[in-house]
Amino acid sequence: AQTVTQSQPEMSVQEAETVTLSCTYDTSESNYYLFWYKQPPSRQMILVIRQEAYKQQNATENRFSVNFQKAAKSFSLKISDSQLGDTAMYFCAFYNLAGSSGDKLTFGTGTRLAVRP
Amino acid sequence: NAGVTQTPKFQVLKTGQSMTLQCAQDMNHNSMYWYRQDPGMGLRLIYYSASEGTTDKGEVPNGYNVSRLNKREFSLRLESAAPSQTSVYFCASDRGGNTEAFFGQGTRLTVV
Repeated sequence: AQTVTQSQPEMSVQEAETVTLSCTYDTSESNYYLFWYKQPPSRQMILVIRQEAYKQQNATENRFSVNFQKAAKSFSLKISDSQLGDTAMYFCAFYNLAGSSGDKLTFGTGTRLAVRP
Repeated sequence: NAGVTQTPKFQVLKTGQSMTLQCAQDMNHNSMYWYRQDPGMGLRLIYYSASEGTTDKGEVPNGYNVSRLNKREFSLRLESAAPSQTSVYFCASDRGGNTEAFFGQGTRLTVV
């Protein structure tokens, strides 16, 4: 079974600074996808960034980038120039593709990020 | 664009009562999911359906049943609600793979 671990329950960052959220995962599969989702207080789930496991290049979306270390099974999210609107719960997620456990999206426990003005 | 529509938004049940949470998506997605979100636990998968006509257990299926009525609809039923099922429930759907999952607005369920 796949597991996703986020070891930082809460983090805080000053506005305009950079913060990195950690995520590790465990799988025996070689073909999968990784995601970061954001959940603001509105409870809406918003996709921040995605990464295909077969791609070595780290994904980037504006101020958001990932550090994907496949051998270490690590997938961290870096937020640059943090903004007050980045305050939210962040979830790391793993999608197993055609594995023995079936295709499904598994989430970590989340990291609550507070951006201080 | 409706996306994923989940009803109801709020519900209070007494222990032992039953109810069905409804979910529908209009994006022609194959995969649909039911999650529950509890403080400190993240989103835990209850059941999922990789395609019409199939359903599979997730991490926490006990006390729940699901029906994939057609490609659009995926319902979650609590036959005999328990206080441990107090949670926020999310329905989601996606096309699979590296595509974005779309979520409903959530149902806050309280079992007293």
